[in-house]
Amino acid sequence: GAVVSQHPSRVICKSGTSVKIECRSLDFQATTMFWYRQFPKQSLMLMATSNEGSKATYEQGVEKDKFLINHASLTLSTLTVTSAHPEDSSFYICSARPPSGGGYTFGSGTRLTVV
Amino acid sequence: GENVEQHPSTLSVQEGDSAVIKCTYSDSASNYFPWYKQELGKRPQLIIDIRSNVGEKKDQRIAVTLNKTAKHFSLHITETQPEDSAVYFCAASIGIGAGNQFYFGTGTSLTVIP
Repeated sequence: GAVVSQHPSRVICKSGTSVKIECRSLDFQATTMFWYRQFPKQSLMLMATSNEGSKATYEQGVEKDKFLINHASLTLSTLTVTSAHPEDSSFYICSARPPSGGGYTFGSGTRLTVV
Repeated sequence: GENVEQHPSTLSVQEGDSAVIKCTYSDSASNYFPWYKQELGKRPQLIIDIRSNVGEKKDQRIAVTLNKTAKHFSLHITETQPEDSAVYFCAASIGIGAGNQFYFGTGTSLTVIP
């Protein structure tokens, strides 16, 4: 089945630094990937849609200069949290849908803690 | 855009009983409805899905029903087991292409009491 790999699974960083999260589709090409943020005991909140070879589409209220998305290849999308602050601490998950359609496959998520 | 509502937010059942989670959606163009199970700290996993041309789908102890007229769909888990305890999310999608985004419900935390 379709596999999406996300790395790192956990990261602790100091306030003001930047963190890069990678999302890879391992056995299919993903022209589109989605980035979500999830707070404890809450639903998945779509942050942005990552499009290979073009600019990402951000949801309302998501700062594109803070959450930089790069989708440089058909199998890799990256999310960079720039100048991280404690309020950026959250669980970030990427997902992609195989060309054959059907349900999304999610990455394993990244627990970001900003201290 | 699409708005998906999910109820209840928490649900406790005795082991062996059934659990039902309900979702409604707003956009009649939505035609694909997956359900995800998320265990604590882990990724959501697709457990069952249904397309708009089908009214019901079953997979062992799990079933999903869809009422297109009323714009609601439900997840049914029979003979619940403790390992069914997790958060369940419904979702709706307009189109089934790789670029069609999902709209998620707010989640239901299911606890199965042994």
